[in-house]
Amino acid sequence: DIVMTQTPLSSPVTLGQPASISCRSSQGLVHSDGNTYLSWLQQRPGQPPRLLIYKISNRFSGVPDRFSGSGAGTDFTLKISRVEAEDVGIYYCMQATQFPFTFGPGTKVDIK
Amino acid sequence: EVHLLESGGDLVQPGGSLRLSCAASGFTFGSNAMSWVRQAPGKGLEWVSAISGSGSSTYYADSVKGRFTISRDNSKNTLFLQMNSLRAEDTAVYYCAKELRRSLDVWGQGTTVTVSS
Repeated sequence: DIVMTQTPLSSPVTLGQPASISCRSSQGLVHSDGNTYLSWLQQRPGQPPRLLIYKISNRFSGVPDRFSGSGAGTDFTLKISRVEAEDVGIYYCMQATQFPFTFGPGTKVDIK
Repeated sequence: EVHLLESGGDLVQPGGSLRLSCAASGFTFGSNAMSWVRQAPGKGLEWVSAISGSGSSTYYADSVKGRFTISRDNSKNTLFLQMNSLRAEDTAVYYCAKELRRSLDVWGQGTTVTVSS
């Protein structure tokens, strides 16, 4: 199975400041079809997860442009350009290149 | 509007069985693969199972293989998860999720399964 790791596991941030989360996979995520199925999800307190980014860097419908994804191979990053209060929650990376799909352990983002 | 609604969660004894359902609306159900994902209390997300749009292909996490069965009824826009031989470690909120380009783009609110004597 592909193991996903995230750093940091906790990220206190100041409102209006940037935040960055790293995700690393235990093996490359390029699928045989040429795509890299790495996505990012946000889970606000008491809510189901919500898709933010798919295929490394594609922002899902309705996601604010302060969220961006980047990376390649085994190293990926989610960036929030200016953190807002509504961004508090846990962020997960997920790989769907190979079954079983696997998630990172999650990074908790809260306000300082 | 795309909507997923899970049901069937309950308190069940170890070794028991439960069948979860996920009613879908707002999209062409049979055109999309679907997944079940669970979240134990205070823990992260764990992918459980997936099924192709036609239902011909199914996939499972090792932790549930041989005990859980995923299926779907495209005529009724409904996804199922039959859970047998339940264990305490299966206690979790179970979410169904729609797949889009191998990402999980729409999630239900979840249904709670508690395995305890």
